[in-house]
Amino acid sequence: TAGITQAPTSQILAAGRSMTLRCTQDMRHNAMYWYRQDLGLGLRLIHYSNTAGTTGKGEVPDGYSVSRANTDDFPLTLASAVPSQTSVYFCASSESAGGLGRDTQYFGPGTRLTVL
Amino acid sequence: GQNIDQPTEMTATEGAIVQINCTYQTSGFNGLFWYQQHAGEAPTFLSYNVLDGLEEKGRFSSFLSRSKGYSYLLLKELQMKDSASYLCAEVDSNYQLIWGAGTKLIIKP
Repeated sequence: TAGITQAPTSQILAAGRSMTLRCTQDMRHNAMYWYRQDLGLGLRLIHYSNTAGTTGKGEVPDGYSVSRANTDDFPLTLASAVPSQTSVYFCASSESAGGLGRDTQYFGPGTRLTVL
Repeated sequence: GQNIDQPTEMTATEGAIVQINCTYQTSGFNGLFWYQQHAGEAPTFLSYNVLDGLEEKGRFSSFLSRSKGYSYLLLKELQMKDSASYLCAEVDSNYQLIWGAGTKLIIKP
């Protein structure tokens, strides 16, 4: 079973360039999330989506945008990358959108992004 | 804002027991998760507590005291494969997860 897939696995990006990180889940989960994980810090929520067609801002949304055109896909776009966006990015999903925190979040394998 | 505190690193011996503590701010609390994350991998779910007390799942147990803003993860009969980071996450009043920085557990033979 695939669960959640992310692409690419890793990427080196020049500052100022744009990039889209892809995330696809096959569990028919309603809610999806994007986190970044930096050394010494907890996972920080960038954007989330309670259900297809809706999105919301998390703790660190600046410089990132998302869309949720269907249930399965939740791409994250960096419009103009900066070195501070160097991080490991995890996509996650959970079954229910109503009580977000009460549902277990399942994580993708992550994308390691380096912005130079 | 929310604050999740857990030790940065712990060391334990194979076969022993280790307790990893987590403290959080109690206002707007809606539950607490523990996740395991091996180096270079994704976090995976271990446990969820919303009521006071101990939840046992095989070698792993998780405890919650809501009045004290305190939780711990207890790992018994430690195995080398338990070497990983353990992440504590509080469910806040908006039902978002607020994550601690994680505790890196090193198991020695």
